[in-house]
Amino acid sequence: GNSVTQMEGPVTLSEEAFLTINCTYTATGYPSLFWYVQYPGEGLQLLLKATKADDKGSNKGFEATYRKETTSFHLEKGSVQVSDSAVYFCAFPSGGSYIPTFGRGTSLIVHP
Amino acid sequence: GAGVSQSPRYKVAKRGQDVALRCDPISGHVSLFWYQQALGQGPEFLTYFQNEAQLDKSGLPSDRFFAERPEGSVSTLKIQRTQQEDSAVYLCASSQDRFRTNYGYTFGSGTRLTVV
Repeated sequence: GNSVTQMEGPVTLSEEAFLTINCTYTATGYPSLFWYVQYPGEGLQLLLKATKADDKGSNKGFEATYRKETTSFHLEKGSVQVSDSAVYFCAFPSGGSYIPTFGRGTSLIVHP
Repeated sequence: GAGVSQSPRYKVAKRGQDVALRCDPISGHVSLFWYQQALGQGPEFLTYFQNEAQLDKSGLPSDRFFAERPEGSVSTLKIQRTQQEDSAVYLCASSQDRFRTNYGYTFGSGTRLTVV
C-alpha cells in the first residue's frame, strides 16, 4: 500500500550545519510530494512541494527534489538556524486517492 | 477567514464525557480533513468531507467518533464517552481541490484533548 518512510529523529545539529532529512515513499503513480513543518505548540504548515519528477521545491532556504528513480524527496538546507528547530513531516496524497499520508515526523534540534 | 480555525485550543475531559471539536476551514475550500495526532507521531487520517458529503470515514477508530459538516463549511468532530486513549491533538485541514491536490493542505493549530 501507499506509505511514507522518514528517517528517525531527533536530528541534533549546531547552527550553520548542513541538514538532510530523508524521505522515501511508496505510491501508485507519481503524486505531488510535500514537506510540512510543525513548530512547538502549533499546527502543520506547508513548507514546500514538488508536483512532478525532477521538480525542486524550495522555501526559506530548504530544498527537496522529487526523485522518481529512487522514490525519494529528501529535505535539505545548507545552513540551519536555531529557529528551524521543529518537527518535519514528509507527505503526499496517496496515489489515486485524496487522503494525505504523512510520515512519522523527524524532530530537528538546532543548538546555538 | 485567512486560515483554518479550530476551537477549543485545549480541552480536558473526564473519562466518559462527550466532547465536540470545531473546525472553521478557509472560506470556499471544498475539501476538509480531520486527523488525529498522538504524541510524537505523524497525523493519522480520520475522515474526509467534500462540501457537506462525508466521502470517507474509514479512519474513525470507533463508533464513538462522529463528524459532520452540514452546510459544507464548519465541521464538528464529536467523541462520545471519551476514553484515555482518545487523548491526542485533533487537526483539521482544508484544501481548495476536490481530489488530488497540487496545492497542499492548510492545517489549523489543532485541539489538544486530554482525557483524565
